[in-house]
Amino acid sequence: QVQLQQSGAELTKPGSSVKISCKASGYTFTSYDISWIKQRPGQALEWIGAINPGSGGTGYNEKFKGKATLTVDKSSSTAFMQLSSLTPEDTAVYYCARLLRVYLPFDYWGQGVMVTVSS
Amino acid sequence: DTVLTQSPALAVSPGERVSISCRASEGVNSYMHWYQQKPGQQPKLLIYKASNLASGVPARFSGSGSGTDFTLTIDPVEADDTATYFCQQSWNDPDTFGAGTKLELK
Repeated sequence: QVQLQQSGAELTKPGSSVKISCKASGYTFTSYDISWIKQRPGQALEWIGAINPGSGGTGYNEKFKGKATLTVDKSSSTAFMQLSSLTPEDTAVYYCARLLRVYLPFDYWGQGVMVTVSS
Repeated sequence: DTVLTQSPALAVSPGERVSISCRASEGVNSYMHWYQQKPGQQPKLLIYKASNLASGVPARFSGSGSGTDFTLTIDPVEADDTATYFCQQSWNDPDTFGAGTKLELK
């Protein structure tokens, strides 16, 4: 069965960076894009960006350019998101999610990673 | 960005029919999708492209609409449907989500 297994919770300090992972299984990793989505309590979900694991091509929400960097390791079927120059506003749950191609929905989601930015 | 507006909360009794609305600030064709999220869990896809039932989702869930106005209907509502429901559009860049409608059972 399709699974997206994300790494564990992170507690980080303002100004630092964090890299979280999303390991895919149960399907051909290079056949689906991986998107990353931010969820803060009481706020709408925000699409951060997407990566095509086959080509490595990426697309970002303008709001998150310079904040998020998406990469993949095809050998381990794992997608990564690095968040830099962290501030308390980056405190959120971050999900990875799979989509077949542009315009289509996110049909499977990871369990989410809580990133807390606090001094 | 395309803003999606949802009513914040609804309360219904089991067995009733409920409609959850989502209005887009600009047209999204039929590229509106619906998700269910229970506390502490990831979102789950219910409906894609306005009216298509996702795999494994009970037929109690249905979707309708096009352009700017969309509706998710649950009929009949069951106790397990207590959750927050989000709409998402994928027609305009970037993809955006509604803030969610929290469904409570009386």
